[in-house]
Amino acid sequence: GEDVEQSLFLSVREGDSSVINCTYTDSSSTYLYWYKQEPGAGLQLLTYIFSNMDMKQDQRLTVLLNKKDKHLSLRIADTQTGDSAIYFCAERVINTGGFKTIFGAGTRLFVKA
Amino acid sequence: GAVVSQHPSRVICKSGTSVKIECRSLDFQATTMFWYRQFPKKSLMLMATSNEGSKATYEQGVEKDKFLINHASLTLSTLTVTSAHPEDSSFYICSARGEREFARETQYFGPGTRLLVL
Repeated sequence: GEDVEQSLFLSVREGDSSVINCTYTDSSSTYLYWYKQEPGAGLQLLTYIFSNMDMKQDQRLTVLLNKKDKHLSLRIADTQTGDSAIYFCAERVINTGGFKTIFGAGTRLFVKA
Repeated sequence: GAVVSQHPSRVICKSGTSVKIECRSLDFQATTMFWYRQFPKKSLMLMATSNEGSKATYEQGVEKDKFLINHASLTLSTLTVTSAHPEDSSFYICSARGEREFARETQYFGPGTRLLVL
């Protein structure tokens, strides 16, 4: 079946690195995404990675993809209080019915000052 | 930064009526717009992708006759929920990107529209 799972909560201290993990079940993924949603600030597409890539880095963000284990992670270096938000991972799959983007339930990141 | 607006921000309607939600890119030309739906427990669904001047591409499992999407200009896309029922109550979010945003691998999101169907 199609499923994307994330842990519900993560708490880190300001200045530490945060690692948000995600696992998925469908092996026909084309892209994998990380979205961020802050209260009152709307949804944001943080980054995405092609399924044939292992890693992508963008400033403080590092995405790692392990296709064998179907595991995606988002590392935020030097986490700031402004990084407090809900982070959703998503997998875009293609099958005979067409395209579908499957979202995880979101990980709420708390950053302690 | 680029701005995307949605109208209305909140709408309450009776079951069986149709509701139209507008998504506008205010300071750039949106060649592509996306419609998302967020359910009460926060989970998200991408509903469809629309390119200006062509038919929307719906995600698997989304009823295209139920959720009509029109992207008639480079600054406006509309989502019409036809014959709305209480289970259509949700938070609908649009996003948009132009050529520059596509090159930067980003998109700009609207603030969302909360639909409540009684």
